[in-house]
Amino acid sequence: DVKVTQSSRYLVKRTGEKVFLECVQDMDHENMFWYRQDPGLGLRLIYFSYDVKMKEKGDIPEGYSVSREKKERFSLILESASTNQTSMYLCASREGGGQADQETQYFGPGTRLLVL
Amino acid sequence: AQSVSQHNHHVILSEAASLELGCNYSYGGTVNLFWYVQYPGQHLQLLLKYFSGDPLVKGIKGFEAEFIKSKFSFNLRKPSVQWSDTAEYFCAVNRANRDDKIIFGKGTRLHILP
Repeated sequence: DVKVTQSSRYLVKRTGEKVFLECVQDMDHENMFWYRQDPGLGLRLIYFSYDVKMKEKGDIPEGYSVSREKKERFSLILESASTNQTSMYLCASREGGGQADQETQYFGPGTRLLVL
Repeated sequence: AQSVSQHNHHVILSEAASLELGCNYSYGGTVNLFWYVQYPGQHLQLLLKYFSGDPLVKGIKGFEAEFIKSKFSFNLRKPSVQWSDTAEYFCAVNRANRDDKIIFGKGTRLHILP
């Protein structure tokens, strides 16, 4: 079974703090993704990475950055947390390659971040 | 740009009722289609997917979905729901054979009354 783990289930931070959210997958997947999930807005893609040291902006990258130094790890960074970044953050991985059997995304349990 | 539209934001049904959740997408090319489910307190997981072939796709827990290309639709169905089907359901799409990012709909919260 694919396992995607996220470093924290719950985080409380103060406005202006730098926040690191870590995600690790154990299936040697090429692609990794960060989403935020908000009620009524569904999942919105923040950043994704097709391979180590590669990153692409998603639909809402403002206020975020990412790092992928190792294949299994994809970090989301909030440079200066703001209250409008209070949300559930979901990490996902996918085998990658474009073939049908490589398209399924596997999700982590999520990190619920509260910025005060 | 691709988009996914889920018709219902919140659905309430009694046990044993039939379910149909609507999903439409906007993209003219070949697509992959997905339904994901998030049970309370659990992570998102794949319910079923369509890549090619038979447009009627069967997934886990008795769910199925039908791809109707002419209508750009991929509606989720279950003939008789159970209380344990209470969850949030997300339709998603990406362009086929392109290693493309997946676009998710806004989700439908399904609440089953016991």
